[in-house]
Amino acid sequence: QLQLQESGPGLVKPSETMSLTCTVSGGSISSSFYYWGWVRQPPGKGLEWIGSIYYRGSTFYNPSLQSRVTISVDTSKNQFSLNLTSVTAADTAVYFCASDYTTDVNYFDYWGQGTLVTVSS
Amino acid sequence: DIQMTQSPSSLSASVGDRVTITCRASQSISSFLNWYQQKPGKAPKLLIYAASSLQSGVPSRFSGSGSGTDFTLTISSLQPEDFATYYCQQSYSPPRTFGQGTKVEIK
Repeated sequence: QLQLQESGPGLVKPSETMSLTCTVSGGSISSSFYYWGWVRQPPGKGLEWIGSIYYRGSTFYNPSLQSRVTISVDTSKNQFSLNLTSVTAADTAVYFCASDYTTDVNYFDYWGQGTLVTVSS
Repeated sequence: DIQMTQSPSSLSASVGDRVTITCRASQSISSFLNWYQQKPGKAPKLLIYAASSLQSGVPSRFSGSGSGTDFTLTISSLQPEDFATYYCQQSYSPPRTFGQGTKVEIK
């Protein structure tokens, strides 16, 4: 069974770049069945998909964030990462990484516990 | 983007009640619809995928139905551990989008 764990700073200053890493255990990030995704949730609000990456590096992003988002993968470490540039208070949220099962159907089946990132000076 | 609209936004129910939550897509998404349960401070948990397939390990009191634009999540007999927020999510086309959530509270 897959396990995912987010890591990274919990506090980021406005206009700076936020970076998070998700470590995958219990399976290979190089699986052909999975993309690997990021989802965020502002305090008290709903879920927003940020983007997903395949182990070979192909990505797709939410157009609402595409200009500021980069997702990368490191297969040697079984990790994938999120960079979000020019952050503002609106980017304050719990950030989840998730396995993005993708075959003839698609769903997020395993999730990290989430990490709160606060944007504040 | 495909907009997902859930109703109601919240509901109060008692243990043992039958609960139904609906989700409507702004365009046809075939059966590319998933349901998640989220408890406070926790990650979402996949309940139903492809509109009606029960995720492994999820109790059979949960069921999903629908296709096209209208979908339903049903809890046949509400249990104490089912009080949570439920989200639908479409996987028909990017960007993947979620409904705004339905909070199920204790009456």
